Amino acid sequence: EAQVTQNPRYLITVTGKKLTVTCSQNMNHEYMSWYRQDPGLGLRQIYYSMNVEATDKGDVPEGYKVSRKEKRNFPLILESPSPNQTSLYFCASSRQYGQETQYFGPGTRLLVL
Amino acid sequence: AQSVTQLGSHVSVSEGALVLLRCNYSSSVPPYLFWYVQYPNQGLQLLLKYTSAATLVKGINGFEAEFKKSETSFHLTKPSAHMSDAAEYFCAVSEGGSTLGRLYFGRGTQLTVWP
Repeated sequence: EAQVTQNPRYLITVTGKKLTVTCSQNMNHEYMSWYRQDPGLGLRQIYYSMNVEATDKGDVPEGYKVSRKEKRNFPLILESPSPNQTSLYFCASSRQYGQETQYFGPGTRLLVL
Repeated sequence: AQSVTQLGSHVSVSEGALVLLRCNYSSSVPPYLFWYVQYPNQGLQLLLKYTSAATLVKGINGFEAEFKKSETSFHLTKPSAHMSDAAEYFCAVSEGGSTLGRLYFGRGTQLTVWP
């Protein structure tokens, strides 16, 4: 089944404790992206990647890191999480960019205490 | 930067009534336009998209949207609402140029359907 998977789905952590949210897609998509969703703000792009070893900042990149060493994986790293990073995170992928449909993962709900 | 405005963060309709969710965008070049739907506790899935073919786009579950360049709008409609349509709907726009690869979302509209 074609899908985007994220792990973990739920995470509670404390300020400053490094964490990684994994994202994997099995559709051989070139384009991958991370978004955060907050009430009343919609989805805001954190980082995106047009291909392996090619990543770029979105609208809200501060406090996040990403890497794209393999085509299928695009992990999101929070090196020192803070409470303002409490949010719902979505990973997405598409065959390319522009007019292509993005396929979203199920989301990761993060609470930073 | 691209801008997407969804008028009305909450819309309520009765079952069987017309659904109209509004979306306006700002773009200096012909854009690609999307509507995504998010059901409770799920990720987003595509309803429909406009990619410079027909201006009236039909999507899944009876939804359709019309691209109006002169009004920079891409409103979503459905003639008769069903209880299962209750969800959050997001309008999104993508364009080329310096923002190639970026997808910009509106803030979302929560649709409630009353029996």
